[in-house]
Amino acid sequence: AQTVTQSQPEMSVQEAETVTLSCTYDTSESDYYLFWYKQPPSRQMILVIRQEAYKQQNATENRFSVNFQKAAKSFSLKISDSQLGDAAMYFCAYKAGTYKYIFGTGTRLKVLA
Amino acid sequence: KAGVTQTPRYLIKTRGQQVTLSCSPISGHRSVSWYQQTPGQGLQFLFEYFSETQRNKGNFPGRFSGRQFSNSRSEMNVSTLELGDSALYLCASSVDSAKAFFGQGTRLTVV
Repeated sequence: AQTVTQSQPEMSVQEAETVTLSCTYDTSESDYYLFWYKQPPSRQMILVIRQEAYKQQNATENRFSVNFQKAAKSFSLKISDSQLGDAAMYFCAYKAGTYKYIFGTGTRLKVLA
Repeated sequence: KAGVTQTPRYLIKTRGQQVTLSCSPISGHRSVSWYQQTPGQGLQFLFEYFSETQRNKGNFPGRFSGRQFSNSRSEMNVSTLELGDSALYLCASSVDSAKAFFGQGTRLTVV
């Protein structure tokens, strides 16, 4: 069965610094998607970044980038130049084909001024 | 484009009652999924509908049901409410399976 593990319940970062959130997953599929979603106090889940497993190049969206290691089944999120508005719960998620999304337990990110 | 709209935003119900939650997806999106989010269990998949057909189902009791209409709007129903059903219920829509957009959720409190 597919699983997604986020081993860091909480992380802190100083404003303007860089932080990396970890995510590992387990699957026997070769073709799938990985996502990072952000959930601020408003509760709405916002898609931060998406990675297709067949692409070797790591996805990047402005200050957000991922380090995708397919063989190691690792998918970490790097946030550069952290801003106060980045404070939120971050969820790593996996999806293969038409199967359901599987979410990790989340990492709460605190940004210190 | 309007985002995913969930109504109502907040709901308080009594044990034993039933409740219906609504989700209007982004225009053109045919897939609608529902999730239950609680502090203890995290995000748990309830079910997914695609073109009015249930495509996937999570491990929830039969008290949880859903449907999708021809305009892709979806409803979720919970019958015989229990205290443990108190949660944030999130709806997500997508064009394909590869990028889901979430609504703001419905906060259900069962007393």
